[in-house]
Amino acid sequence: DTAVSQTPKYLVTQMGNDKSIKCEQNLGHDTMYWYKQDSKKFLKIMFSYNNKELIINETVPNRFSPKSPDKAHLNLHINSLELGDSAVYFCASSLGTSGIVNEQFFGPGTRLTVL
Amino acid sequence: AQSVSQHNHHVILSEAASLELGCNYSYGGTVNLFWYVQYPGQHLQLLLKYFSGDPLVKGIKGFEAEFIKSKFSFNLRKPSVQWSDTAEYFCAVPFTGGGNKLTFGTGTQLKVEL
Repeated sequence: DTAVSQTPKYLVTQMGNDKSIKCEQNLGHDTMYWYKQDSKKFLKIMFSYNNKELIINETVPNRFSPKSPDKAHLNLHINSLELGDSAVYFCASSLGTSGIVNEQFFGPGTRLTVL
Repeated sequence: AQSVSQHNHHVILSEAASLELGCNYSYGGTVNLFWYVQYPGQHLQLLLKYFSGDPLVKGIKGFEAEFIKSKFSFNLRKPSVQWSDTAEYFCAVPFTGGGNKLTFGTGTQLKVEL
């Protein structure tokens, strides 16, 4: 009965490779997010999708491409991985009600290590 | 632009001590405020939130926070901490640009010693 799930939990790869992280939520939410948490625990939003449409795209290199096949899934594809991409990536979801900021539910995180 | 700052980056307490973690925000619109907790190796979970009404908000696990509008603060408190409260605590405020975006503070690492 996991609410927000991510796969894989750990990802170790070489520089220059392309990798994907998958996220699924079974809460019936219509808004999903990707956050990056660096080694100092600083948490920053990367993308947000509402009903499969991109609504937030922070200053993220275009090597990062989110894809939302349906409102329950938001995957993150990363091309040409760099050392600085090493971090923990969290997926989250919420009800996207206009004018109200709702609680976000977070996934368990994916620890990406680029060697 | 809205922002949130947490003054204490690392806090070490003994069990049963009282806790107060500072959070200040700069935000001119309708205020929604959140505290999230991240236990070691785990994901973020909501501790409590303020949308409107009573400025003293009760959360899970005995935590509470008080919204003081005149001070732009939303400090987190717990009268008596336990070893299991060891975690990273994040204050968050919404983004005025819409999209339900949250801006998180830099976090406070709390370590509770036996």
